[in-house]
Amino acid sequence: QVYLVESGGGVVQPGGSLRLSCGASGFIFSSSDMHWVRQAPGKGLEWVSFIEYDGSKKYYVDSVKGRFTISRDNSKSTLDLQMNSLRPEDTAVYYCAKELMGWGLGTQVTVSS
Amino acid sequence: QSALTQPRSVSGSPGQSVTISCTGTSSNVGGYNYVSWHQQHPDKAPKLMIYDVSKRPSGVPDRFSGSKSGNTASLTISGLQAEDEADYYCCSYAGTYTWVFGGGTKLTVL
Repeated sequence: QVYLVESGGGVVQPGGSLRLSCGASGFIFSSSDMHWVRQAPGKGLEWVSFIEYDGSKKYYVDSVKGRFTISRDNSKSTLDLQMNSLRPEDTAVYYCAKELMGWGLGTQVTVSS
Repeated sequence: QSALTQPRSVSGSPGQSVTISCTGTSSNVGGYNYVSWHQQHPDKAPKLMIYDVSKRPSGVPDRFSGSKSGNTASLTISGLQAEDEADYYCCSYAGTYTWVFGGGTKLTVL
């Protein structure tokens, strides 16, 4: 059973930063590719970022390139998303997902002055 | 990175079958057999229903099936039940370790 728990969400002003974390258990994290997916209020799912199982490959949706950084610590079974230069349009629930097959419960990020 | 196209809503009566389409391009849906479908009930996390076009994860009823033809993937739900009422999202690999979701389809069970 895949267990993923996101944390680190909150309210931040435009231009600010937040670091999201995702704790994983129930599967071999170090062998699993991971993703971040977000969902703006009342909107659909949007793929945000991917990191390969060993951290060697990292990719992003165009709208967050240069502002967001995905990382992982396989020794701690954690996945992170560093979000800088946040914009109001980044407001969303952020989910971590194992290979887009197992999902966390999400954490709310609100960018507002 | 344009979203895949899904109908905004579909509906059906209990026991009937419904099909939700997901149209992309040869750069995503048509180019790879990596289409998945995710169910989301209100204020809940998504749940994987179909992966690799037509494979069902353990625990997903066989009433759910997936297929693909050209640039269009489809999710069919047969023997509709009240608990199937939810939003459904398709997702496709789009090359170079990027993915794209559809805009979502709201399924109403009448």
